[in-house]
Order: sequence, then C-alpha cells, then structure tokens
Amino acid sequence: DSGVTQTPKHLITATGQRVTLRCSPRSGDLSVYWYQQSLDQGLQFLIQYYNGEERAKGNILERFSAQQFPDLHSELNLSSLELGDSALYFCASSVSEGASYNEQFFGPGTRLTVL
Amino acid sequence: DQQVKQNSPSLSVQEGRISILNCDYTNSMFDYFLWYKKYPAEGPTFLISISSIKDKNEDGRFTVFLNKSAKHLSLHIVPSQPGDSAVYFCAASAPGRRALTFGSGTRLQVQP
Repeated sequence: DSGVTQTPKHLITATGQRVTLRCSPRSGDLSVYWYQQSLDQGLQFLIQYYNGEERAKGNILERFSAQQFPDLHSELNLSSLELGDSALYFCASSVSEGASYNEQFFGPGTRLTVL
Repeated sequence: DQQVKQNSPSLSVQEGRISILNCDYTNSMFDYFLWYKKYPAEGPTFLISISSIKDKNEDGRFTVFLNKSAKHLSLHIVPSQPGDSAVYFCAASAPGRRALTFGSGTRLQVQP
C-alpha cells in the first residue's frame, strides 16, 4: 500500500459527460501528479500541483482541469468526454516539487470507460 | 517523440534464472532514472533508482546498470521468482522537470 488513495476505482460513463476523479496523497506529501495510461502505453504526465498551486502541465487537454485543495487532496475533472479518453488515470504524490531524486508514490488508479 | 523507450514488450524467463530488462533514452539531460513494477489492477510501485553520477545500483535481487554513453539502462533480477511477474516501467527525470517520463513497459513472466 503506497498510502495514496484514489476514488472511484472504476467509472463508466457516456460521451459528452463530465466526471471527477479524486486523489488523496500520502501523509506529508505536498506534490500531487496526475498521469494517464492508455491501453498498453506508458504513463503520460498530465499536471502537477504543489501545496495547492499548479506547478507543471504536460499533455493535458483543455477539456481536463485539476485542482489541489487546502487539505492537499486533488481532483481531476474531465469534461465533454470522448471515447479516446478511456484510460487508467493515476495519481502520484511526493514530498517535494522536482522529479529528480524525489520518489513518486502511485495510487491504484481509476479506470475510466467512456461508452 | 518517445524519449524513453522499452523496445521489448514482453520477456519470459525460468524461475531462478536472470531477468534482464532494457531501456533506452534520448534526452541527455536526464539525470535520474527509476524502475517501477506494476501488477494488474494496482498502481506502479517504485523498485529501484539510479543517479546519472553512478553506473550501478544494487538492492537485494535487483541491480540497475546505467551506460550514459550509450544512453541505456538495464534492470537485472537475480534470481527471478514467479512473484516478479509484472509489467516493469523505466522512467527518467531531468533537472528542473516536474514529471517523470515513462517508457511503455515490459511484461515479465517468470515461469515456475
């Protein structure tokens, strides 16, 4: 158990809908990262928050947004969903901001299926 | 542009033998490399890492080798056990970068 929790575990929805994925980082971790893993692909970085502030953006679509709340949990909002958004969405947390020498701990992921 | 590549999608080895998983990268700015292991229905779990100032790091049955001139790293598992059967991801980071860049993974199957 990494200490990172994600809800829900599975989500099935229809095209055009909006969903919210939730992540609680490990106790003491200030950084939260969101990654997307499509079928048989590597993890693609979406966005990072550190202590409530957005710090970096990767290949995140404009239809997607995220935030980190004062209690450090984070939510990833996906709107106007398309079939191609079906994927595993992972949240990771770490103590500090940078990626180097800063191990990231991953949650179990949310499997999103868009029908 | 795939900056981290794992060219072998799968690997099968016998229990007790050595497993060697390979990873190539193109970005010479990468200074920290990690291996993650992933079981089905779970998130990736950190396994071992190596800094670019080293060429080898060992942790129990797991050893990572880094060849900077070839931009290549490998993970050796000795001896391999059935419980090692999982997908292994290579990842890298660069100074000032926030996120990890992942390879596409190699599925390791250790046959009893």
